[in-house]
Amino acid sequence: DQQVKQNSPSLSVQEGRISILNCDYTNSMFDYFLWYKKYPAEGPTFLISISSIKDKNEDGRFTVFLNKSAKHLSLHIVPSQPGDSAVYFCAASERGSQGNLIFGKGTKLSVKP
Amino acid sequence: GAVVSQHPSRVICKSGTSVKIECRSLDFQATTMFWYRQFPKQSLMLMATSNEGSKATYEQGVEKDKFLINHASLTLSTLTVTSAHPEDSSFYICSARDYAGGGPYEQYFGPGTRLTVT
Repeated sequence: DQQVKQNSPSLSVQEGRISILNCDYTNSMFDYFLWYKKYPAEGPTFLISISSIKDKNEDGRFTVFLNKSAKHLSLHIVPSQPGDSAVYFCAASERGSQGNLIFGKGTKLSVKP
Repeated sequence: GAVVSQHPSRVICKSGTSVKIECRSLDFQATTMFWYRQFPKQSLMLMATSNEGSKATYEQGVEKDKFLINHASLTLSTLTVTSAHPEDSSFYICSARDYAGGGPYEQYFGPGTRLTVT
């Protein structure tokens, strides 16, 4: 049973436009959410995170929104750049779990020039 | 930022042999390291959590006698795949948590090791 779901395996966006990547979760005990970016044959790179006490966190072109009632979070990238093309993983952690991360299956973002 | 290295980046071994993968935190001390496995087009699956100086905690379904984990120091954890078989071929990634910086849940990942068992 997947606790973190990324239902879109891929997304294609034009350069300069907004990319919106979505993530849903089922475990109400999750209290911290993270987004990672991954290139092929490399380890994931931390992008941005959000605590469950917040509903928005912004860092440059990246903004994460959290809707706890809907158990949904999204990552907005604006403006999108070709270098953003990668697989994006949503991850969640439960308080008291040693910080163990539960990952979604990822969404492959392609930003076209 | 925090840097985690893995060695080797790629290894090919024969069925029945053992392979050791090293994970190092280069500029911070990591009391906890994690080992993941990723199959093509799949998510990262946590295999085990490794705390310095103590036995690793394995996830359900992961054979602890097959995947030996040692976390002997605050900067080094090793994963040994014993008696490797072709089905063990995968991309293995380690991560480390840095308590000194960032949030408590942020993990920094190594570049991964591609294991191919022939």
